[in-house]
Amino acid sequence: SAVISQKPSRDICQRGTSLTIQCQVDSQVTMMFWYRQQPGQSLTLIATANQGSEATYESGFVIDKFPISRPNLTFSTLTVSNMSPEDSSIYLCSVEGLAGGPVLADTQYFGPGTRLTVL
Amino acid sequence: AQSVSQHNHHVILSEAASLELGCNYSYGGTVNLFWYVQYPGQHLQLLLKYFSGDPLVKGIKGFEAEFIKSKFSFNLRKPSVQWSDTAEYFCAVNPGYGGATNKLIFGTGTLLAVQP
Repeated sequence: SAVISQKPSRDICQRGTSLTIQCQVDSQVTMMFWYRQQPGQSLTLIATANQGSEATYESGFVIDKFPISRPNLTFSTLTVSNMSPEDSSIYLCSVEGLAGGPVLADTQYFGPGTRLTVL
Repeated sequence: AQSVSQHNHHVILSEAASLELGCNYSYGGTVNLFWYVQYPGQHLQLLLKYFSGDPLVKGIKGFEAEFIKSKFSFNLRKPSVQWSDTAEYFCAVNPGYGGATNKLIFGTGTLLAVQP
């Protein structure tokens, strides 16, 4: 599988500020996703990061709060805007790629996550 | 609404014991099914997956899972656990197979502790 890295690995932020999380993959992938894992809960999909177009957001998530960029096939960013303590979570990116490549289609591979604490 | 249920939240076993973790989903159509594992301090890793064909699938490290369509279940099994299997296990479902996929719906996870 591909090597997926996220920066930062963790951060502690003040209420009202914004944090941008980066996801880098060492090979080109078709799909990139962003998930959230709140304390004691399971992973929830925030959005699909589309290369060259606006991200596709799941119900309950909006672009103003979670703007996403995907400038190319190996990189994406998620910004958590105007943070509140309720945004304290682990944020994970995942990727899915072309069949026959290093990242198989129809299977998502996950990055190490970014642990965010908002005070 | 589509959902995935993992009924065992915490499981404690002794080494060499057999393991079965339950997973049920609520979706009537074609699904892809996955088990992911997160070892302490590591990120989520794919354990095994089912797309079609033989409903008994084998994954890494001696794990297997059985898809029973009539029961909407995809239970994870291992005949003899090791201390190194201590981890959190997540069942996930992709409803609506076809092409580049979409959302994964995750269960709440099962924390497995194996005592030496």
